[in-house]
Amino acid sequence: EIVMTQSPATLSVSPGERATLSCRASQSVSSNLAWYQQKPGQAPRLLIYGASTRATGIPARFSGSGSGTEFTLTISSLQSEDFAVYYCQQYNNWPPETFGQGTKLEIK
Amino acid sequence: EVQLVQSGAEVKKPGESLKISCKGSGYSFTSYWIGWVRQMPGKGLEWMGIIYPGDSDTRYSPSFQGQVTISADKSISTAYLQWSSLKASDTAMYYCARRLRGLGPFDYWGQGTLVTVSS
Repeated sequence: EIVMTQSPATLSVSPGERATLSCRASQSVSSNLAWYQQKPGQAPRLLIYGASTRATGIPARFSGSGSGTEFTLTISSLQSEDFAVYYCQQYNNWPPETFGQGTKLEIK
Repeated sequence: EVQLVQSGAEVKKPGESLKISCKGSGYSFTSYWIGWVRQMPGKGLEWMGIIYPGDSDTRYSPSFQGQVTISADKSISTAYLQWSSLKASDTAMYYCARRLRGLGPFDYWGQGTLVTVSS
């Protein structure tokens, strides 16, 4: 089973600034990596798939990069609605298609 | 519009059985996998298993194999997650989600079903 490790666990950033979230896989997952956003009381929402492709309707301030074992989600110019928990997920080796433990993005 | 609509919240006692549902609409139900994801209170997402309603191909995470059963009835575009004997540790929010055949992320999610197991 591939282990996904996200860092940091919590990230404090001011509105308007850039946030950089990291995700590392215990072995290569090629570009088969997705990012999800989850707000309190809501289901997760797909942001990025294929490591760098934005899902339908996702603003351009969200971008993903990386391949193999190291991945990054960058949110440029944070808006108030972006403060949430973010999860990465690999879907290269399954079952299971493992999730990271999440990064909570909070307002500084 | 693609929608996954899950059944309502459940309160059960330890040892009881339970089957929750996820009804898909707005797309070809037999052409996408439906997966189940657990989220325990205050915790992260855990991939439980997945079914392809077109041919009932089902895969489980080793962590959940034997603990739950995933099934689907393609005639009514509905997938199911069931337990034969609930434990307090099964208390969680359970989400269903859709994914393409082949490799792909979960692109649409249900609203979640909260299962509470308490004596």
